[in-house]
Amino acid sequence: EVHLVESGGALVQPGGSLRLSCVASGFTFGTYWMTWVRQAPGKGLEWVANIKSDGSEKYYVDSVKGRFTISRDNTKNSLYLQMNSLRAEDTAAYHCARAYDYADSGHDWGQGTLVAVSS
Amino acid sequence: QSVLTQPPSVSGTPGLRVTISCSGSSSNIGDFYVNWYQQLPGTAPKLLIYGTNQRPSGVPDRFAGSKSGTSASLAISGLRSEDEADYYCAAWDDSLYGIIFGGGTKLTVL
Repeated sequence: EVHLVESGGALVQPGGSLRLSCVASGFTFGTYWMTWVRQAPGKGLEWVANIKSDGSEKYYVDSVKGRFTISRDNTKNSLYLQMNSLRAEDTAAYHCARAYDYADSGHDWGQGTLVAVSS
Repeated sequence: QSVLTQPPSVSGTPGLRVTISCSGSSSNIGDFYVNWYQQLPGTAPKLLIYGTNQRPSGVPDRFAGSKSGTSASLAISGLRSEDEADYYCAAWDDSLYGIIFGGGTKLTVL
């Protein structure tokens, strides 16, 4: 059974940084694309970034380019999202998901970790 | 405002059929497959349809996806009270060079 567990969410001040992690199990992590999707409180889903199985390709939504970095460590079955220069509008639950290609918004999702940006 | 346009809400009577539309353009739905998700309150989204019209194992055949041109649809037949949830469509957009979601549709079972 596919299992994805996110962690690292916290309350942070505007301009601060945070690193989210997602630990995967139940599948061969290093053979799948992975993606991050966020959902602001009471709002819809927004794709944030995704990364190819070997880390050689990465894509980001325009609003986070230059501030967020997606990465992975296949030896640890882990996906990461380094978030810098955080803004109030980044406040959301962040979900990681397993994907099959660059166009896939995600088949299996974690429960999410909450990031709150506020002074 | 989402690039993929969904009706904010739809409703239906138990046992009957409803459809949720997802309108896009040639840079997204017109050229790429569509995924559909169901999100129950307080839970993570669950994949209902992938590859425009494929159901993951465990998803009942009451749920069906289709596409025509630059629009996609999710049909739910034999409506049940437990289908009451938010539904989202998603697709790659080759102009934005990223994945886009529809704004979501709240389904109410009357």
